[in-house]
Amino acid sequence: SQQGEEDPQALSIQEGENATMNCSYKTSINNLQWYRQNSGRGLVHLILIRSNEREKHSGRLRVTLDTSKKSSSLLITASRAADTASYFCATDGANYGQNFVFGPGTRLSVLP
Amino acid sequence: DTEVTQTPKHLVMGMTNKKSLKCEQHMGHRAMYWYKQKAKKPPELMFVYSYEKLSINESVPSRFSPECPNSSLLNLHLHALQPEDSALYLCASSQGSARTKNIQYFGAGTRLSVL
Repeated sequence: SQQGEEDPQALSIQEGENATMNCSYKTSINNLQWYRQNSGRGLVHLILIRSNEREKHSGRLRVTLDTSKKSSSLLITASRAADTASYFCATDGANYGQNFVFGPGTRLSVLP
Repeated sequence: DTEVTQTPKHLVMGMTNKKSLKCEQHMGHRAMYWYKQKAKKPPELMFVYSYEKLSINESVPSRFSPECPNSSLLNLHLHALQPEDSALYLCASSQGSARTKNIQYFGAGTRLSVL
């Protein structure tokens, strides 16, 4: 089945630095989404990028999508301690029967 | 109101117990989901209800039984669980089944421990 896979698995940076997380997947998709999860809580939707889009911005977030490489990246600029969380990409498969699948996630720690 | 409410927040049950998890949303969403999440792992899709009908069952054991009484409510009935079923159970909803409307809104989850 298709699956998003993130790297790095864990990332530790200082406040004010930028954080980049990558996601790869295996099959054709309709869209790719990024979610954030604070420890032990529900997920919060951050941004959705459609398969015909290459880049999207939302506040301090920048997402790119390269369908030829089946990969996406999430950039968080000017990180804050409050950005500390796990970040997951999720893919919605283009073919019938391909369900919503989350990648393994990147655990981001932003140190004050 | 963009809230998905899950109850209870925590649940401890024995392997012979029967319990239920509840999920509620009042956003008018027509798709609702159950996920299971183990520690340091991504959520794994269990069930999807679309317009109150079960549309996806990801080969989940029959000891988990979903129910959608109406468009706002989703239950997960638990019976004869195993210790490996201990996990965070997340409920989510989305506007509809159309691909561009499937941004999911998640509840805070029920942390289940099976003894």
